Amino acid sequence: KNQVEQSPQSLIILEGKNCTLQCNYTVSPFSNLRWYKQDTGRGPVSLTIMTFSENTKSNGRYTATLDADTKQSSLHITASQLSDSASYICVVSAGGGADGLTFGKGTHLIIQP
Amino acid sequence: NAGVTQTPKFRILKIGQSMTLQCAQDMNHNYMYWYRQDPGMGLKLIYYSVGAGITDKGEVPNGYNVSRSTTEDFPLRLELAAPSQTSVYFCASSFLTGGSGANVLTFGAGSRLTVL
Repeated sequence: KNQVEQSPQSLIILEGKNCTLQCNYTVSPFSNLRWYKQDTGRGPVSLTIMTFSENTKSNGRYTATLDADTKQSSLHITASQLSDSASYICVVSAGGGADGLTFGKGTHLIIQP
Repeated sequence: NAGVTQTPKFRILKIGQSMTLQCAQDMNHNYMYWYRQDPGMGLKLIYYSVGAGITDKGEVPNGYNVSRSTTEDFPLRLELAAPSQTSVYFCASSFLTGGSGANVLTFGAGSRLTVL
């Protein structure tokens, strides 16, 4: 069964600090991995999509890494801001089918002033 | 550009009642999806559609029905509501198929449903 595990489940950091969120997956075959940001009461919004050949991808203060050999990904947030408070969801695609996405449970990040 | 619009945002149902969650997108996307998000769990696919007139079951379709008469609209019907259907429901759409590396899902803001 395809699975996506995220850690930590929740995280509290001070504004301005950096943090790293982890995603481990057992999805086969692997097509791509996405990170989504979900603000409270809103739908998820895509941050990055990484394919098998991509090791690192940045989107502003967000940097995602992918190690397809160990089936691990991380999302690093630099110089955190209060607006970064949200849930971050790792999603892995098993291929081209419309039903081929496996969602992680998310990491709930709280930025304190 | 409105993107994906869901209505209602909140609804309380009694056990056994029926209702329809509405979803509309204005991006001319072929693919549309309904997910449910339970507390502490990942999103689960209920139904999806690859185009007008075509729908398919996802991982958790029991107790739900969908239709896709137009490209823009993808309503989700709950028949005989049960407490297990208490959840937040998200509609999403995409231009390409969900698994494609070039694809991005656009989500609506969600509909919170409580069944008592």
